[in-house]
Amino acid sequence: GESVGLHLPTLSVQEGDNSIINCAYSNSASDYFIWYKQESGKGPQFIIDIRSNMDKRQGQRVTVLLNKTVKHLSLQIAATQPGDSAVYFCAEVKLDSWGKLQFGAGTQVVVTP
Amino acid sequence: DAGVTQSPTHLIKTRGQQVTLRCSPKSGHDTVSWYQQALGQGPQFIFQYYEEEERQRGNFPDRFSGHQFPNYSSELNVNALWLGDSALYLCASSLDPDTQYFGPGTRLTVL
Repeated sequence: GESVGLHLPTLSVQEGDNSIINCAYSNSASDYFIWYKQESGKGPQFIIDIRSNMDKRQGQRVTVLLNKTVKHLSLQIAATQPGDSAVYFCAEVKLDSWGKLQFGAGTQVVVTP
Repeated sequence: DAGVTQSPTHLIKTRGQQVTLRCSPKSGHDTVSWYQQALGQGPQFIFQYYEEEERQRGNFPDRFSGHQFPNYSSELNVNALWLGDSALYLCASSLDPDTQYFGPGTRLTVL
């Protein structure tokens, strides 16, 4: 079936460096994509989303890029901080699904001093 | 304004038992979705409740059932528990599909 998946299970980043988390998706019918951050013992927290008709969207210290040609999504975190250590998930949504989220497996980001 | 709350925080059951998990949505949110998150994996959609009815369902057996009350709070029931049901169960509430808020989850361990 259709799925959303991540390339790297673990990403180690030095504090202050930029992080790039990648996600591959297979369902070209998805209408938008969301990045979530999940800290230990907590539920997923919304970071940023992007519509399928967009290529790039920026938030505070984060940028999401969407490449529909190769069905690839990435999350860039600028000046990574210790508080950014968490598991990051991408999820896809179809507009007619009442917000049903289809998650990938996640990437563990570890920020080292 | 309190966010999404779930109870209990942790729960230990034995195989064959039944369990009920509870979720209180964010104030004003009328839609509640439940997800199962196995260790090291992404959340998987179980079902969604709106106006006290199950609106859509993921690929989960009938052992998983739910309910939504007039105040929009919701319960997830799992019957005949087996080891594979051990997971973090997440509740998400929303008023519109674009924005969902997750609770902290209930950690269920089946022995």
